[in-house]
Amino acid sequence: SQKIEQNSEALNIQEGKTATLTCNYTNYSPAYLQWYRQDPGRGPVFLLLIRENEKEKRKERLKVTFDTTLKQSLFHITASQPADSATYLCALGNRQTGANNLFFGTGTRLTVIP
Amino acid sequence: GAVVSQHPSRVICKSGTSVKIECRSLDFQATTMFWYRQFPKKSLMLMATSNEGSKATYEQGVEKDKFLINHASLTLSTLTVTSAHPEDSSFYICSAIPGGSSYNEQFFGPGTRLTVL
Repeated sequence: SQKIEQNSEALNIQEGKTATLTCNYTNYSPAYLQWYRQDPGRGPVFLLLIRENEKEKRKERLKVTFDTTLKQSLFHITASQPADSATYLCALGNRQTGANNLFFGTGTRLTVIP
Repeated sequence: GAVVSQHPSRVICKSGTSVKIECRSLDFQATTMFWYRQFPKKSLMLMATSNEGSKATYEQGVEKDKFLINHASLTLSTLTVTSAHPEDSSFYICSAIPGGSSYNEQFFGPGTRLTVL
């Protein structure tokens, strides 16, 4: 069966450290993978997109890697701040069902402790 | 740019009534919009894909007669929950893809919290 799993439901880290979130998938053939941030009671906000032929993408303090052999993406936030506290979702655009459709992971709730 | 709005943000209704939720792209045209629902502490579940001027494509297990979708213009899609029941209570979120975007970044609305009594 198809699954998109994010490493942990919740992650607590100290301010200034690097947060690393994991997204693993099975039985998908993603043309791309995206990461979103969601705050409570709000819709997700797009952060980064990485294509299947890309290994790494950076944007300011964010870095995403994509390993299609391992079927895994890692999402890093460096120099984390309390304002980074939110739920982070990975999402796949599945080639088999139409790359426009996004399928979301279970999410990781990140808390950055001052 | 790329702002998506939803209306209403919250709605409480009695069981058996129908509720309409609007999704608008405010500063771009969207040939494709998506509807999701999200249960507390769960991820987003894609319900259907809405294409302007054509019938929506529903995901497996989603009742199309229960969740009516109309994408009447390039900036508006509506989701109508018909004969709502308490189990339909959820957070409904829409998203839109700007026409001509190459890699399908989706812009999400703020969501609508539906509570059916």
